[in-house]
Amino acid sequence: GAGVSQSPRYKVTKRGQDVALRCDPISGHVSLYWYRQALGQGPEFLTYFNYEAQQDKSGLPNDRFSAERPEGSISTLTIQRTEQRDSAMYRCASSRSGRGRGAMNTEAFFGQGTRLTVV
Amino acid sequence: AQSVSQHNHHVILSEAASLELGCNYSYGGTVNLFWYVQYPGQHLQLLLKYFSGDPLVKGIKGFEAEFIKSKFSFNLRKPSVQWSDTAEYFCAVNAGNTGKLIFGQGTTLQVKP
Repeated sequence: GAGVSQSPRYKVTKRGQDVALRCDPISGHVSLYWYRQALGQGPEFLTYFNYEAQQDKSGLPNDRFSAERPEGSISTLTIQRTEQRDSAMYRCASSRSGRGRGAMNTEAFFGQGTRLTVV
Repeated sequence: AQSVSQHNHHVILSEAASLELGCNYSYGGTVNLFWYVQYPGQHLQLLLKYFSGDPLVKGIKGFEAEFIKSKFSFNLRKPSVQWSDTAEYFCAVNAGNTGKLIFGQGTTLQVKP
C-alpha cells in the first residue's frame, strides 16, 4: 500500500482479555518498529524486526507483550490478559534499511496508530 | 542510556510570531536527529532530519533546525508560524547502528489566528 496501515484504529477491551494489533508496512520495507505512546508522552520503543527476525525486544514491558512478523511483512503485536495500564496509542513504523549505518540513516514512516482502551 | 528532553510542553503563539522549540539529547557517540510532527487526527510525519554535514537543516513548511554538538541540542525554528502549524512536535534521536528512535515527550504548539 501507499503507507503504513494499522488496524484496528480504535480498540476497547475488557481487562483480562487478549488483543492483537496489526501493522501492514510499506511494501518492500525491511524494518518494522512498534512503539507505545501514553497520553502526554512521546512514543516509547517496544520492539523491532528486520524481515521476519525480531532484532530487539528490550522495550516490551513484560511477558504479556509479544510480537511477530512471520513472513517479513505484516506484523502483529499481541497483549495477553490486558490491564488498564496497557491503555495507550500503539504505533507502528517501517523503514527501508535493516542494519548498521544504513538503518540509522533511513527515515521511518509511521502508521495512524491503534488507540487501545482497557476498561 | 540515551534520552531526549524537550523543554516546552505547551506553547501558544499568535500567527506570524517566531517559533523555537528546544531539544537536548544525551548520548556521547554518533547520532542522527529528527523532528516529527503530528497534525490533529493524522499520523506522525517527518519534518526534518540531521545525519551529517551542514548542522543547519531545512525541512518542510519553512521549518529548520540547528545541530549544536557541543550543547547536545537540536532546536527547531520557524521565523513566522501559521495557524496550520498547530500540532504536536516530537524530537527524536537514534544511535547504535539501528533505526530505533528515542523520542522526547513532545511539545504541543497552538497557533492563534
